[in-house]
Amino acid sequence: DSGVTQTPKHLITATGQRVTLRCSPRSGDLSVYWYQQSLDQGLQFLIQYYNGEERAKGNILERFSAQQFPDLHSELNLSSLELGDSALYFCASSVGGAGGPEDTQYFGPGTRLTVL
Amino acid sequence: EDQVTQSPEALRLQEGESSSLNCSYTVSGLRGLFWYRQDPGKGPEFLFTLYSAGEEKEKERLKATLTKKESFLHITAPKPEDSATYLCAVREETSGSRLTFGEGTQLTVNP
Repeated sequence: DSGVTQTPKHLITATGQRVTLRCSPRSGDLSVYWYQQSLDQGLQFLIQYYNGEERAKGNILERFSAQQFPDLHSELNLSSLELGDSALYFCASSVGGAGGPEDTQYFGPGTRLTVL
Repeated sequence: EDQVTQSPEALRLQEGESSSLNCSYTVSGLRGLFWYRQDPGKGPEFLFTLYSAGEEKEKERLKATLTKKESFLHITAPKPEDSATYLCAVREETSGSRLTFGEGTQLTVNP
């Protein structure tokens, strides 16, 4: 158990809908990262938040957005869902956010999103 | 752009048959190379971080090594419970703490 929690475990929804995925980082970690893992693309970095502020952005679609709250939990919002958005979404956390030796990323168990 | 290539894509071993997984990388400046283990439907589990060429780290039957262009994950006398996908990721000097992952090597160890 990494100490990172994600809810829900599974989510089934229809095209065009909007969903929210939630992540709680390990105690003491200030950074939260979101990744998408699909069968044909491997783990893709989406976005990073550090202590409530956006720190880095990867291949995140405009239909997707995220935020980190004062209690450091984070939410990933996915809207206008398409079939191709079906994937595993992982959250990871680390102590810092600048890439130092303490910035090992620990992953949560993931949310499996199925868009029908 | 950072590139991480892992080989082979899949590897099937008999219990006790040692082997190595490869991770080749292209970055402008390496700030760390990471190995993770991932079981089906689960989140990646951190194994090792390597920072400089020549560095080695060990954990049970696993040993990770690093050169200027690649990293190897050596598995000695594997057991069926070592079956998993092994992921390699790099952190580049100017990219903060984000990671770029390879596609992984799916390892199966038969009893």
